Amino acid sequence: QVQLGQSGAEVKKPGASVKVSCKASGYTFINFYIHWVRQAPGQGLEWMGIINPSDGTTTYAQRFQGRVTMTGDTSTSTVYMELTSLRSEDTAAYYCARDGDSGSYYSDLWGQGTLVTVSS
Amino acid sequence: DIQMTQSPSSLSASVGDRVTITCQASQDITKYLNWYQQRPGKAPKLLIYDASTLETGVPSRFSGSGSGTDFTFTISSLQPEDVATYYCQQCDNLPQCSFGQGTKLEIK
Repeated sequence: QVQLGQSGAEVKKPGASVKVSCKASGYTFINFYIHWVRQAPGQGLEWMGIINPSDGTTTYAQRFQGRVTMTGDTSTSTVYMELTSLRSEDTAAYYCARDGDSGSYYSDLWGQGTLVTVSS
Repeated sequence: DIQMTQSPSSLSASVGDRVTITCQASQDITKYLNWYQQRPGKAPKLLIYDASTLETGVPSRFSGSGSGTDFTFTISSLQPEDVATYYCQQCDNLPQCSFGQGTKLEIK
């Protein structure tokens, strides 16, 4: 079954870091880029960045530059998104999503989301 | 950064109605515009990519059109299961992607 399975909910204190995992199954991991998208409670979708799992190349949204790191592990078909210097505004559901690989960029397969709560 | 302006922000329509949502880009994005559906408490779902290409398995009542800066998403005959929030998204070739603010669709 083609799917992306994400790690469980996290509660972090302001200033801490969080690392969310996204495990791919049912397809060839290195053939598809992975996007990360977040959604604050009651708010819209916000694109964070993209990683090429085959070589680890990344592109981040400018507003997250310096605070986000996306990595991949081909041995376990897993990508990770680490966000540092957390603040309350980072409380959100974080989604990984597979890129469609048709020459343009879009997300055709989504993980279930990981809720990250930042609270003192 | 490319800004996406989506309208309306909310919409109420009756079952069987034709529903239209628009999305405007702050600069020319040619055909690189996607549409997603997000039901409450669920992950988004891809409906349309490259402005007008229907994702496999998506009902044909959903359609998209447009190019350049102006795009339209249409549901030809609204069904109860279409209650959701709809988002447009653009991705340039860097890539840098951005979403519209979303349109919350309800049944009258």
